[in-house]
Amino acid sequence: SAVISQKPSRDICQRGTSLTIQCQVDSQVTMMFWYRQQPGQSLTLIATANQGSEATYESGFVIDKFPISRPNLTFSTLTVSNMSPEDSSIYLCSGGGGNEQYFGPGTRLTVT
Amino acid sequence: EDQVTQSPEALRLQEGESSSLNCSYTVSGLRGLFWYRQDPGKGPEFLFTLYSAGEEKEKERLKATLTKKESFLHITAPKPEDSATYLCAVHHRFGLGGGADGLTFGKGTHLIIQP
Repeated sequence: SAVISQKPSRDICQRGTSLTIQCQVDSQVTMMFWYRQQPGQSLTLIATANQGSEATYESGFVIDKFPISRPNLTFSTLTVSNMSPEDSSIYLCSGGGGNEQYFGPGTRLTVT
Repeated sequence: EDQVTQSPEALRLQEGESSSLNCSYTVSGLRGLFWYRQDPGKGPEFLFTLYSAGEEKEKERLKATLTKKESFLHITAPKPEDSATYLCAVHHRFGLGGGADGLTFGKGTHLIIQP
């Protein structure tokens, strides 16, 4: 199994600013992903974080708004840019191989 | 159209009362069906991955099964600590909206086990 940590665990941000969320895995993993979970809702895939290349985004999510980096097999960042109150959500990182995917504890973001 | 549908949305059981949660899916090219448990304020905890119809996996009081159209999570003699939201997700050959190749989640079943 893989243990995944995220920083920060929560933050309150002003409208129009940006926040970068870090995701660290305790072992090398093939795949890493970013999800969003809005209050009381299930998880929605944002993108696949590809090591050494541009992330692959799901429909409705764009690189300018959610730039993602993955410099190696254990680390990734997600930036939420030019934030609005609608971006208030929990952002979750996951990682693993094809048959097991593990999640971090999430970053709770509130935009005021 | 929902690709992953879970039922019931909520379920309240007495301790020791066995039951099943359902996850139906309509995706093509299934590469895996995943079950997770999520406690309030935490990230999902991985339980099982199933790949082909007829496959079964067990962990303590939980058993997951898979058919060509649905999966069941059977909970035998549950305890209050089994209370959580149980999420089903599919990994399919074609990305839902853009090929990001991750998991598509259902809305979950909120399970409460009363002592």
